Amino acid sequence: EAQVTQNPRYLITVTGKKLTVTCSQNMNHEYMSWYRQDPGLGLRQIYYSMNVEVTDKGDVPEGYKVSRKEKRNFPLILESPSPNQTSLYFCATRKGLAGSGEQYFGPGTRLTVT
Amino acid sequence: EDKVVQSPLSLVVHEGDTVTLNCSYEVTNFRSLLWYKQEKKAPTFLFMLTSSGIEKKSGRLSSILDKKELFSILNITATQTGDSAIYLCAVPMYSGGGADGLTFGKGTHLIIQP
Repeated sequence: EAQVTQNPRYLITVTGKKLTVTCSQNMNHEYMSWYRQDPGLGLRQIYYSMNVEVTDKGDVPEGYKVSRKEKRNFPLILESPSPNQTSLYFCATRKGLAGSGEQYFGPGTRLTVT
Repeated sequence: EDKVVQSPLSLVVHEGDTVTLNCSYEVTNFRSLLWYKQEKKAPTFLFMLTSSGIEKKSGRLSSILDKKELFSILNITATQTGDSAIYLCAVPMYSGGGADGLTFGKGTHLIIQP
């Protein structure tokens, strides 16, 4: 079954404690991306990756890091989380680099930073 | 600055009503517009529109694009309580060889009352 998985699905943590949210896809898609969703602000792109070892900033990259060492995985790293990073996070993938633009979303990770 | 604006932000109707959701955009290098439905989980793809005036239809949902006036509408006829969701409009951003990501509108929160 084609899918995008994220872990953890829910996380409550404290300010400054490093965390990683994993994203994995089994569709052999080149493109992967991270979004955060906040009330009144909608979905905003954090980082994206066109392929292995190729990453770039989205609209709201501050406070986040990513890596793309393998095609299937695209972890999101918060080195020193702060309360303003409390949000719902989605990983998304797309087949190919151009064309439809349609993206497939993971189930989401709800992060609370206290 | 590229932007995608949806209206209304919130809409409450009775079951059986027909609703029209709006999405306007100001985007350079426009190629396509996508509609997603988001219930209490990840967004799921509904339609992709690339050509003006050609209606896309799926059951009671339909959508059309006007590239001259820079907007799209999503129609839902004979609404049901299961149509209650946030409907998101998104436009892929293109640079270089491929779409870098999706710029989303803030969404229309649709509530269908029985």
